[in-house]
Amino acid sequence: KNEVEQSPQNLTAQEGEFITINCSYSVGISALHWLQQHPGGGIVSLFMLSSGKKKHGRLIATINIQEKHSSLHITASHPRDSAVYICAVPPPLDASGSRLTFGEGTQLTVNP
Amino acid sequence: KAGVTQTPRYLIKTRGQQVTLSCSPISGHRSVSWYQQTPGQGLQFLFEYFSETQRNKGNFPGRFSGRQFSNSRSEMNVSTLELGDSALYLCASSEVLAGGSTGELFFGEGSRLTVL
Repeated sequence: KNEVEQSPQNLTAQEGEFITINCSYSVGISALHWLQQHPGGGIVSLFMLSSGKKKHGRLIATINIQEKHSSLHITASHPRDSAVYICAVPPPLDASGSRLTFGEGTQLTVNP
Repeated sequence: KAGVTQTPRYLIKTRGQQVTLSCSPISGHRSVSWYQQTPGQGLQFLFEYFSETQRNKGNFPGRFSGRQFSNSRSEMNVSTLELGDSALYLCASSEVLAGGSTGELFFGEGSRLTVL
C-alpha cells in the first residue's frame, strides 16, 4: 500500500493569494491524481500526472518522482476555489493504476 | 458527452437489508471504479471493473460486490447492511490507456446511503 500525506489539512486565504498544497507518497508510482471536491460531494479530476508539470487555467500541478512529492498551486485564488483538494496514488506494481490510496484532503477556504 | 450517472442519489435502508447501486459511465469508457467515502475513513477504493471483469479490489468484506455489463454499466451491491456502511458511494469511469492502465477519472455525483 502507498502511504499518502497531504499538507496542510486546512488552509484559509484571501482572494488573490497564491496557494500551494503538498502531497507526499511513500513508494514509486505510475501516476498521481489531484481531485477537487465541493460541498455536496461531487468530485472533479483536476490533473493526472506522472512527471513534470501540468497547467490548466489558474491551476498548476508539479511532481518530483525522485522525491516522491507533488504540489498543487492555485494562482490568483478566488472564493469559488473553496473546496477540498485530494491527491491520490496507486500502489507500486498495480498495472491498472486503479487501486488508489487517497490523501486526507486539504480544506481550502478563500475569503473575498 | 453525457457525464457519469449514478442512481439512486439518496437512499435509506435498515440494518440487514441489501442495496444495489448503479453507475453508467461516459460513452466509450470501459473502466469503472467504485469508492466509499465516510467522515472517519475518507475515500477508499472498493473495486474496478474493465471489460466485465473485476480487475482490482480494495480491502472490503465479501458483502461488497459488483459487476459490469457488456455496455460498461456497472452495479455494486452491499448485502447484510451494517450501520457503518452509511457513506457516499462514488463511481468513476475512465478510458483504458495503451499499456492497460486507467486514464483520468470522471466521477459521478455519488449515491448517499444511510443505514438505520
